[in-house]
Amino acid sequence: QSALTQPASVSGSPGQSIAISCTGTSSDVGGYNYVSWYQQHPGKAPKLMIYEVTNRPSGVSNRFSGSKSGNTASLTISGLQAEDEADYYCSSYRSTSTFAGVVFGGGTELTVL
Amino acid sequence: EVRLVESGGGLVQPGGSLRLSCAASGFGFSHYSMNWVRQAPGKGLEWLSYFVNSGTTIYYADSVKGRFTISRDNAKNSLYLQMNNLRAEDTAVYYCARDGGRAWESDYWGQGTLVTVSS
Repeated sequence: QSALTQPASVSGSPGQSIAISCTGTSSDVGGYNYVSWYQQHPGKAPKLMIYEVTNRPSGVSNRFSGSKSGNTASLTISGLQAEDEADYYCSSYRSTSTFAGVVFGGGTELTVL
Repeated sequence: EVRLVESGGGLVQPGGSLRLSCAASGFGFSHYSMNWVRQAPGKGLEWLSYFVNSGTTIYYADSVKGRFTISRDNAKNSLYLQMNNLRAEDTAVYYCARDGGRAWESDYWGQGTLVTVSS
Protein backbone atom coordinates (compact mmCIF):
# COMPACT_ATOMS: atom_id res chain seq x y z
CA GLN A 1 0.00 0.00 0.00
CA SER A 2 1.25 3.49 -0.78
CA ALA A 3 2.07 5.66 2.18
CA LEU A 4 0.44 8.95 3.03
CA THR A 5 2.50 11.95 1.88
CA GLN A 6 4.30 14.11 4.42
CA PRO A 7 7.09 16.67 3.96
CA ALA A 8 10.45 15.15 4.80
CA SER A 9 11.40 17.99 7.11
CA VAL A 10 10.15 21.19 8.69
CA SER A 11 11.84 23.64 11.01
CA GLY A 12 10.98 26.53 13.26
CA SER A 13 12.38 28.71 16.00
CA PRO A 14 11.36 28.45 19.64
CA GLY A 15 8.02 30.11 20.24
CA GLN A 16 6.96 29.91 16.62
CA SER A 17 4.20 27.73 15.14
CA ILE A 18 4.67 25.11 12.47
CA ALA A 19 2.32 22.87 10.54
CA ILE A 20 2.95 19.41 9.11
CA SER A 21 0.71 18.21 6.29
CA CYS A 22 -0.41 14.67 5.55
CA THR A 23 -2.00 14.03 2.17
CA GLY A 24 -3.94 10.92 1.28
CA THR A 25 -6.96 10.02 -0.79
CA SER A 26 -10.71 9.64 -0.45
CA SER A 27 -10.08 6.03 0.61
CA ASP A 28 -8.24 7.11 3.74
CA VAL A 29 -7.71 10.67 5.01
CA GLY A 30 -10.57 12.17 3.00
CA GLY A 31 -13.04 9.40 3.65
CA TYR A 32 -12.77 8.91 7.40
CA ASN A 33 -12.09 10.98 10.51
CA TYR A 34 -9.55 8.34 11.54
CA VAL A 35 -6.36 10.38 11.29
CA SER A 36 -3.80 10.09 14.08
CA TRP A 37 -0.44 11.77 14.71
CA TYR A 38 2.57 10.30 16.51
CA GLN A 39 5.75 11.83 17.90
CA GLN A 40 8.92 9.76 17.96
CA HIS A 41 12.18 10.77 19.57
CA PRO A 42 15.36 8.94 18.48
CA GLY A 43 15.56 5.43 19.86
CA LYS A 44 12.14 5.67 21.46
CA ALA A 45 8.72 4.20 20.71
CA PRO A 46 6.14 6.43 19.01
CA LYS A 47 3.79 8.42 21.23
CA LEU A 48 0.19 9.21 20.27
CA MET A 49 -0.34 12.98 20.05
CA ILE A 50 -3.64 13.34 18.15
CA TYR A 51 -6.41 10.90 17.30
CA GLU A 52 -9.64 11.17 15.33
CA VAL A 53 -8.23 14.22 13.48
CA THR A 54 -8.52 16.73 16.32
CA ASN A 55 -8.53 14.95 19.68
CA ARG A 56 -5.66 15.04 22.17
CA PRO A 57 -5.05 12.13 24.55
CA SER A 58 -4.85 12.99 28.21
CA GLY A 59 -1.46 14.46 29.06
CA VAL A 60 -0.62 15.83 25.61
CA SER A 61 0.04 19.55 25.56
CA ASN A 62 -2.64 21.80 24.05
CA ARG A 63 0.15 23.28 21.92
CA PHE A 64 -0.53 20.33 19.62
CA SER A 65 -3.64 20.50 17.44
CA GLY A 66 -4.98 18.68 14.41
CA SER A 67 -7.23 19.51 11.50
CA LYS A 68 -8.35 18.15 8.16
CA SER A 69 -9.55 19.58 4.86
CA GLY A 70 -10.47 17.21 2.08
CA ASN A 71 -7.73 14.63 1.60
CA THR A 72 -5.14 16.54 3.65
CA ALA A 73 -4.73 16.49 7.40
CA SER A 74 -2.44 18.79 9.35
CA LEU A 75 -0.67 18.81 12.70
CA THR A 76 0.05 22.25 14.13
CA ILE A 77 2.50 22.80 16.95
CA SER A 78 2.35 26.25 18.51
CA GLY A 79 4.88 27.83 20.86
CA LEU A 80 7.65 25.53 19.64
CA GLN A 81 9.91 24.16 22.34
CA ALA A 82 13.24 22.37 22.12
CA GLU A 83 11.68 19.11 23.29
CA ASP A 84 9.32 19.14 20.30
CA GLU A 85 12.27 18.27 18.06
CA ALA A 86 11.40 14.76 16.87
CA ASP A 87 9.97 12.79 13.97
CA TYR A 88 6.22 13.04 13.41
CA TYR A 89 4.06 10.48 11.64
CA CYS A 90 0.47 10.66 10.51
CA SER A 91 -1.69 7.60 10.06
CA SER A 92 -5.16 6.88 8.74
CA TYR A 93 -7.54 4.02 8.38
CA ARG A 94 -7.81 3.00 4.73
CA SER A 95 -10.51 0.93 3.09
CA THR A 96 -10.56 -0.13 -0.55
CA SER A 97 -11.89 -3.10 -2.46
CA THR A 98 -8.65 -4.97 -1.73
CA PHE A 99 -7.39 -3.53 1.54
CA ALA A 100 -8.54 -2.58 5.01
CA GLY A 101 -6.18 -1.40 7.68
CA VAL A 102 -3.86 1.41 8.71
CA VAL A 103 -1.41 3.36 6.58
CA PHE A 104 1.29 5.68 7.85
CA GLY A 105 2.88 8.73 6.32
CA GLY A 106 6.57 8.67 5.53
CA GLY A 107 7.38 10.84 8.53
CA THR A 108 8.50 14.45 9.02
CA GLU A 109 11.64 15.47 10.88
CA LEU A 110 11.02 18.58 12.95
CA THR A 111 14.05 20.70 13.76
CA VAL A 112 13.79 23.43 16.39
CA LEU A 113 16.36 26.02 15.38
CA GLU B 1 0.08 1.35 34.27
CA VAL B 2 -0.30 0.04 30.73
CA ARG B 3 2.76 -1.96 29.73
CA LEU B 4 3.61 -3.79 26.52
CA VAL B 5 6.83 -5.81 26.34
CA GLU B 6 7.96 -7.40 23.09
CA SER B 7 10.38 -10.30 22.91
CA GLY B 8 11.62 -12.90 20.47
CA GLY B 9 13.67 -10.75 18.13
CA GLY B 10 17.13 -11.67 16.96
CA LEU B 11 19.27 -12.65 13.99
CA VAL B 12 17.75 -15.06 11.47
CA GLN B 13 18.84 -16.21 8.04
CA PRO B 14 16.84 -15.36 4.91
CA GLY B 15 14.02 -17.86 4.50
CA GLY B 16 13.94 -18.55 8.21
CA SER B 17 11.20 -18.10 10.78
CA LEU B 18 10.78 -16.23 14.03
CA ARG B 19 7.96 -15.81 16.53
CA LEU B 20 7.56 -12.52 18.33
CA SER B 21 5.64 -12.17 21.58
CA CYS B 22 4.10 -9.16 23.28
CA ALA B 23 3.23 -9.41 26.96
CA ALA B 24 0.52 -6.98 28.03
CA SER B 25 -0.23 -5.76 31.53
CA GLY B 26 -2.04 -2.96 33.30
CA PHE B 27 -5.26 -3.17 31.30
CA GLY B 28 -7.96 -5.62 30.27
CA PHE B 29 -6.14 -7.17 27.34
CA SER B 30 -9.12 -9.18 26.10
CA HIS B 31 -11.12 -5.98 25.62
CA TYR B 32 -8.67 -4.33 23.23
CA SER B 33 -7.72 -4.86 19.63
CA MET B 34 -3.99 -4.96 18.99
CA ASN B 35 -1.55 -4.07 16.22
CA TRP B 36 1.96 -4.95 15.05
CA VAL B 37 3.97 -2.11 13.51
CA ARG B 38 7.58 -2.18 12.34
CA GLN B 39 10.30 0.33 11.56
CA ALA B 40 13.26 -0.51 9.36
CA PRO B 41 16.57 1.12 10.35
CA GLY B 42 16.42 4.83 9.55
CA LYS B 43 12.99 4.47 7.95
CA GLY B 44 9.39 5.27 8.83
CA LEU B 45 6.65 3.32 10.53
CA GLU B 46 4.91 0.50 8.68
CA TRP B 47 1.68 -1.01 9.96
CA LEU B 48 1.67 -4.81 9.63
CA SER B 49 -1.37 -6.40 11.21
CA TYR B 50 -4.45 -5.91 13.38
CA PHE B 51 -6.31 -8.41 15.56
CA VAL B 52 -9.70 -7.33 16.83
CA ASN B 53 -10.46 -7.96 20.51
CA SER B 54 -13.39 -10.22 19.69
CA GLY B 55 -11.13 -12.43 17.62
CA THR B 56 -13.34 -12.27 14.56
CA THR B 57 -11.34 -9.90 12.38
CA ILE B 58 -7.71 -9.88 11.31
CA TYR B 59 -6.07 -7.56 8.79
CA TYR B 60 -2.62 -7.68 7.20
CA ALA B 61 -0.49 -5.34 5.11
CA ASP B 62 0.16 -6.67 1.63
CA SER B 63 3.89 -6.78 2.37
CA VAL B 64 3.44 -9.57 4.94
CA LYS B 65 0.21 -11.27 3.90
CA GLY B 66 0.75 -14.99 3.50
CA ARG B 67 4.08 -14.93 5.39
CA PHE B 68 3.18 -13.47 8.79
CA THR B 69 0.41 -14.64 11.13
CA ILE B 70 -0.93 -12.64 14.04
CA SER B 71 -2.49 -14.41 17.00
CA ARG B 72 -3.39 -13.72 20.60
CA ASP B 73 -3.94 -15.63 23.83
CA ASN B 74 -6.25 -13.61 26.04
CA ALA B 75 -5.72 -16.02 28.93
CA LYS B 76 -2.00 -15.20 28.86
CA ASN B 77 -2.49 -11.49 28.00
CA SER B 78 -0.23 -12.01 25.03
CA LEU B 79 -0.04 -11.08 21.36
CA TYR B 80 2.10 -12.97 18.87
CA LEU B 81 3.51 -12.56 15.38
CA GLN B 82 4.68 -15.68 13.57
CA MET B 83 7.02 -14.64 10.78
CA ASN B 84 7.93 -17.14 8.06
CA ASN B 85 10.01 -16.95 4.89
CA LEU B 86 11.84 -13.91 6.21
CA ARG B 87 13.60 -11.56 3.81
CA ALA B 88 16.35 -8.98 4.26
CA GLU B 89 13.76 -6.24 3.91
CA ASP B 90 11.97 -7.55 7.01
CA THR B 91 14.88 -6.28 9.11
CA ALA B 92 13.30 -3.80 11.52
CA VAL B 93 12.28 -2.99 15.05
CA TYR B 94 8.90 -4.60 15.63
CA TYR B 95 6.43 -2.89 17.94
CA CYS B 96 3.19 -4.15 19.39
CA ALA B 97 0.66 -1.41 20.00
CA ARG B 98 -2.73 -1.26 21.67
CA ASP B 99 -5.63 -0.01 19.58
CA GLY B 100 -7.39 2.77 21.47
CA GLY B 101 -10.78 1.62 20.24
CA ARG B 102 -11.93 5.00 18.98
CA ALA B 103 -10.48 5.84 15.60
CA TRP B 104 -7.85 3.24 14.64
CA GLU B 105 -5.26 4.95 16.79
CA SER B 106 -2.52 3.12 18.68
CA ASP B 107 -2.53 4.64 22.14
CA TYR B 108 0.18 2.56 23.83
CA TRP B 109 3.33 1.07 22.33
CA GLY B 110 5.95 -1.37 23.52
CA GLN B 111 9.67 -0.60 23.38
CA GLY B 112 10.12 -2.82 20.32
CA THR B 113 12.23 -5.86 19.50
CA LEU B 114 14.85 -5.90 16.74
CA VAL B 115 14.69 -8.52 14.01
CA THR B 116 17.70 -8.80 11.73
CA VAL B 117 17.47 -10.98 8.63
CA SER B 118 20.93 -11.68 7.28
CA SER B 119 23.15 -14.54 6.23
